[in-house]
Amino acid sequence: QSALTQPPSASGSPGQSVTISCSGTSSDIGGYNFVSWYQQHPGKAPKLIISEVDKRPSGVPDRFSGSKSVNTASLTVSGLQAEDEADYYCSSYAGYKLVFGGGTKVTVL
Amino acid sequence: EVQLVESGGGLVKPGESLRLSCAYSGFRFGELWMTWVRQAPGKGLEWVGRIRDKPNRGATDYAAPVKGRFTMSLDESKNTLFLQMNRLTVDDIGIYFCTTYTSGACLVWGPGTLVAVSS
Repeated sequence: QSALTQPPSASGSPGQSVTISCSGTSSDIGGYNFVSWYQQHPGKAPKLIISEVDKRPSGVPDRFSGSKSVNTASLTVSGLQAEDEADYYCSSYAGYKLVFGGGTKVTVL
Repeated sequence: EVQLVESGGGLVKPGESLRLSCAYSGFRFGELWMTWVRQAPGKGLEWVGRIRDKPNRGATDYAAPVKGRFTMSLDESKNTLFLQMNRLTVDDIGIYFCTTYTSGACLVWGPGTLVAVSS
């Protein structure tokens, strides 16, 4: 069982937006502004798309945005594209460890 | 450009040991922290442990399921990070990724190496 809770699936049509939630506690998400999001295509290594709650690394499209409220973080993908179909994982710093969510499979209809 | 390449995975029997390597380039140890993250087949990501940079004396932290069995170390002369895994069980099966790490995020990932445990 993962430390952070994500919905197993989400979907949207091309051009639409999809938002994925990531629920934690005051010991992880609520205690630090070190929430990250990763995108993983089948058979590939994960790729960092959001760090420190809402920062996009260089090269990540601005269609990806992150936010946090108390113990829940969210990732929004706007203007869905076919290549956004992938698994998405949240993670949070939690003291001397890093915790992950169970992952959300995003399907582009 | 920062690059990471893992190696050393393979098939072992329960109770046996394996040492994974992560060859890094594009930075010097001491500039970045590094982590190991694993992924069981068809499952999510699981943090294994991290090694801090030189100013933090290369101190290590481990996830509860591997603490006391896994050890991270570094050979700076070879630009290689190691993960020594002892007393392996079926729960350790998966792809092992090494990553660079800063501000709570795993920035750059290697392609991973597969560890299988079976009698």
